[in-house]
Amino acid sequence: AQKVTQAQTEISVVEKEDVTLDCVYETRDTTYYLFWYKQPPSGELVFLIRRNSFDEQNEISGRYSWNFQKSTSSFNFTITASQVVDSAVYFCALSCYYSGGGADGLTFGKGTHLIIQP
Amino acid sequence: DAGVTQSPTHLIKTRGQHVTLRCSPISGHKSVSWYQQVLGQGPQFIFQYYEKEERGRGNFPDRFSARQFPNYSSELNVNALLLGDSALYLCASMIGTLDTQYFGPGTRLTVL
Repeated sequence: AQKVTQAQTEISVVEKEDVTLDCVYETRDTTYYLFWYKQPPSGELVFLIRRNSFDEQNEISGRYSWNFQKSTSSFNFTITASQVVDSAVYFCALSCYYSGGGADGLTFGKGTHLIIQP
Repeated sequence: DAGVTQSPTHLIKTRGQHVTLRCSPISGHKSVSWYQQVLGQGPQFIFQYYEKEERGRGNFPDRFSARQFPNYSSELNVNALLLGDSALYLCASMIGTLDTQYFGPGTRLTVL
């Protein structure tokens, strides 16, 4: 069975500070995908990034960056120079697919509520 | 292009009733998945359908069922509603079965 742990329930920082959201995952599969989604108060989950288990290259997109380390089963997300609009709940998720075409869907962590204060 | 759409937006039912939630995927997407999100928790996987066939099922009772239509839209049905079924129900679509899932705005179900 897969598991995703987001140990930080809530983080509050002042605007322009950098903040890192932690994600640790567990799976026995060798092929899997990791995701980050953002959920603003409206409720709709917004896709941010997807990585596959064979690509440990870190990625940067504007103020967002992601650090994937298989050795520690972690996929952390950093926001640089945070802004009030970054306030939301952020979810880390894991998916594993099977050669027969079956799927277990996405396994989500419990989310980290990020509050950016002006 | 339009994103994933869901209807209705909100729904209030009483215990024991039945409910049907609807989802239209992004144009060109053939897979639809359903998730239940209880307040304060991450979404929980219910079903995945691809080309009208069930490809995956989460740990939910048989009161939950779903189907996918030839136009790739989908319905989630819940029978004999319980108070604990109150949640945000999210639908997601993707092109195939190994792609990124894009979510709709959800249907908020309240069971009284």
